[in-house]
Amino acid sequence: TQLLEQSPQFLSIQEGENLTVYCNSSSVFSSLQWYRQEPGEGPVLLVTVVTGGEVKKLKRLTFQFGDARKDSSLHITAAQPGDTGLYLCAGAQGGKLIFGQGTELSVKP
Amino acid sequence: SAVISQKPSRDICQRGTSLTIQCQVDSQVTMMFWYRQQPGQSLTLIATANQGSEATYESGFVIDKFPISRPNLTFSTLTVSNMSPEDSSIYLCSVRIIGGGSTEAFFGQGTRLTVV
Repeated sequence: TQLLEQSPQFLSIQEGENLTVYCNSSSVFSSLQWYRQEPGEGPVLLVTVVTGGEVKKLKRLTFQFGDARKDSSLHITAAQPGDTGLYLCAGAQGGKLIFGQGTELSVKP
Repeated sequence: SAVISQKPSRDICQRGTSLTIQCQVDSQVTMMFWYRQQPGQSLTLIATANQGSEATYESGFVIDKFPISRPNLTFSTLTVSNMSPEDSSIYLCSVRIIGGGSTEAFFGQGTRLTVV
């Protein structure tokens, strides 16, 4: 089973700060996805990265897929309290999705 | 896209009893999954629900404890049998749509189970 190591597991920052979350594996994934989950809800897809070296931007969020397709990062610029939530990376293994451990982000006003 | 209705949304159960969770999808989907999640933690895949045949379980999960049904392409149930406090968790139904350039997974809101 391919494993996804996600770090950090917890992050508490002030509004306006920048942050980066990492997702690493020893195995190659054909694609990686990032999800965000709020309390009482299921995870919601933010982005899918497919090509090694790919960079995708979603407003203040920047996602990068490593050249070797083994790792990915999520960078948030000028974090806001609305960014608070659980961020999960996920890789496809056959038809199923395997999730990293998650990063619980708290942005304080 | 897919909209998933999962029920119950929460329940408090006595140890030794069983609870069946239902998952209804608004469209026919090939792939349905059941996950378990401790609050604030990641998702652990329990099994893939296969339409018309036995579910495919991940390591550490067995059919006697978590029987799954999937009678058609839009509906599945997960039963948590002979519950103990260790089964207290959030259980999530998920579907994955592959094709048309998308591999997005959609999730129900989850069932928060507390075993006392």
